[in-house]
Amino acid sequence: SQKIEQNSEALNIQEGKTATLTCNYTNYSPAYLQWYRQDPGRGPVFLLLIRENEKEKRKERLKVTFDTTLKQSLFHITASQPADSATYLCALDMYNGNKLVFGAGTILRVKS
Amino acid sequence: ETGVTQSPTHLIKTRGQQVTLRCSSQSGHNTVSWYQQALGQGPQFIFQYYREEENGRGNFPPRFSGLQFPNYSSELNVNALELDDSALYLCASSPAGGGAGYGYTFGSGTRLTVV
Repeated sequence: SQKIEQNSEALNIQEGKTATLTCNYTNYSPAYLQWYRQDPGRGPVFLLLIRENEKEKRKERLKVTFDTTLKQSLFHITASQPADSATYLCALDMYNGNKLVFGAGTILRVKS
Repeated sequence: ETGVTQSPTHLIKTRGQQVTLRCSSQSGHNTVSWYQQALGQGPQFIFQYYREEENGRGNFPPRFSGLQFPNYSSELNVNALELDDSALYLCASSPAGGGAGYGYTFGSGTRLTVV
């Protein structure tokens, strides 16, 4: 079955720096890979989606890369702010799938 | 445009009891999925409903069942509750059946505690 690994330890960075979060997966490459933000006690919020044939996607301060050879996605937040502090979840959306397979998430803490 | 609404927000049940959780999907979305999220873990797929039919199921026992109504709202029912069922239950809606590359809109969840 598909397994997803995200940074198990929390990522602590200084305000203004770039945060880089990693998502590695095994087995088959998904049709799409999605990133979500989750705040404590709340549901995940959709941020970005990248397709299998795309290398990079950007949205404002966010950038996602997708390397199907390495079976890895990187999620970058540039000019990070304390308000970016949250758990970030990587999710695989498989071909002919009807579900998202989530990683356990990475906690990001941005200090001012 | 309204988002996904779930009720109740918190619930405490006794082992062996039954529970029904409710979800109203985002306007224009005809697909509803349910996820279970244990503390410190990512959400785990329970099942999905598309046009009132079950459209895929995760690795959950039959005591987890669901419904989708003509207005695309949905219910999750869990019978014979066990202590391990304690979790945050998330409902997510999307504008099409799965695999279509849409981001999902999640509700804030129902926190279920089984004692």
